[in-house]
Amino acid sequence: RKEVEQDPGPFNVPEGATVAFNCTYSNSASQSFFWYRQDCRKEPKLLMSVYSSGNEDGRFTAQLNRASQYISLLIRDSKLSDSATYLCVVNPARQGGKLIFGQGTELSVKP
Amino acid sequence: DGGITQSPKYLFRKEGQNVTLSCEQNLNHDAMYWYRQDPGQGLRLIYYSQIVNDFQKGDIAEGYSVSREKKESFPLTVTSAQKNPTAFYLCASSIVSGVEQFFGPGTRLTVL
Repeated sequence: RKEVEQDPGPFNVPEGATVAFNCTYSNSASQSFFWYRQDCRKEPKLLMSVYSSGNEDGRFTAQLNRASQYISLLIRDSKLSDSATYLCVVNPARQGGKLIFGQGTELSVKP
Repeated sequence: DGGITQSPKYLFRKEGQNVTLSCEQNLNHDAMYWYRQDPGQGLRLIYYSQIVNDFQKGDIAEGYSVSREKKESFPLTVTSAQKNPTAFYLCASSIVSGVEQFFGPGTRLTVL
């Protein structure tokens, strides 16, 4: 089992839609979690950090379920500019501070 | 402006040549990282450094070398021993290890 797993997509949604991505992780001792977005041929950029049960920033909400070992990202009222690949990232603990990156979920928002 | 810079943006290399990628940060971060990304793939950790004058191998260190002589600099050398060096190389830093990482714009290396 991979340490961090994401549905690769692509998710094709119309503008204004609500879309949710799930990410599962294998290490139950994982301490912190992050969502990044990566545009085509660009570097990843931090979208949100999750240190407790969840976090919300405008149209974006991240929720953590430690019992089931998954973290979700919800995007409300999708914009064309939300089209990107979303990376789920986990700090698995006891690995020298390394972060583990998921393969990413591709989102395409259409007019 | 604080940030992470990588140079060059594009790099072309002949087979058998070593090449060094630059990474500089002025964020006063202790930890720095090098990742490799291949088309359609996730990020894979090459090397990381939690503090000056110390670094550890990541998951795919073979054919690469690094140094960390200064806090703000973490250059990566791609040696001729690296079998498939063509990739997108990303440098990142974080205030300490295990927290949010911030990325430079990357270097695209192509071996001709």
